[in-house]
Amino acid sequence: QLQLQEAGPGLVKPSETLSLTCSVSGGSINSGNYYWGWVRQPPGKGLQWIGSVFNTVNIYYNPFLESRVTISVDTSKTQLSLKLTSVTAADTALYYCATSPGSFDPFDIWGQGTMVTVSS
Amino acid sequence: QSLLTQPPSASATPGQTVTVSCSGNRSNIGTNYVHWYQQLPGMAPRLLIYNTNRRPSGVPDRFSGSKSGTSASLAISGLRSEDEADYYCGAWDDNLSGWMFGGGTKLTVL
Repeated sequence: QLQLQEAGPGLVKPSETLSLTCSVSGGSINSGNYYWGWVRQPPGKGLQWIGSVFNTVNIYYNPFLESRVTISVDTSKTQLSLKLTSVTAADTALYYCATSPGSFDPFDIWGQGTMVTVSS
Repeated sequence: QSLLTQPPSASATPGQTVTVSCSGNRSNIGTNYVHWYQQLPGMAPRLLIYNTNRRPSGVPDRFSGSKSGTSASLAISGLRSEDEADYYCGAWDDNLSGWMFGGGTKLTVL
C-alpha cells in the first residue's frame, strides 16, 4: 500500500522560496503506474490543485501558479518535491501530496499534509 | 481561480438523507467525471465517490453520487454522527488542463 509523507520548513518569509518534499513508500515513484500531484488548502478554505507529474518528466501545472511552481521527482530518494517562489501570505496553506492511477483519475491516496505559513 | 460551486454548509439529523450539490460548467462537470472527497476534522481528504457514482472499496453504500448536465450531487442516506465532515467535489477541467475543486460543504449532523 502506497504511503506518502510530506515534509517542509513550516515557516517561510515573504518573497522567499517554499520547498517541500514528499517521501513515497510502499511503491516505486518511477514505475510509471502512478500520477503524483500537489494540492494545497488555505486555512478554512477549499482545495487547490498545484500540479502533477507522470513518468518523472511529464509535468503540468495549474496555470494560476505556473510561473512560480516547479515540481520534480528524485527517483534515487523516492521523493516528490515542490518549489514555489516569491511566496506571499496567500500561499499560507496545508500542502498535500497525493497520487492517482491515471491522469484523469482522482487522487485516491493522500499524505497527511504539511502546514506552511508565510510570515516575516 | 474559479471553483466549482458548493453550498458552504448543510445539516440534517441522524437517519435522514442529505444532499450536497456541486455546480460547474461544460469544461468540467459537463464533460468529465465528478469525484467527491470527505475530509474529517484534522485529516487529509479521502476519496468517497469516483467517476460520478462509483464507491471505492470500504465506502458504505449510504453514499451515492449523480450528475445531470453541469451539476452533480452527493447523497448521504441514513445519516450518522461520524458523517460530520467537509465534503468536496472535484472534476478535471479541460480549459484549465487540470483539476478543479469545489469550495467545500461543511456537513453538520444535528
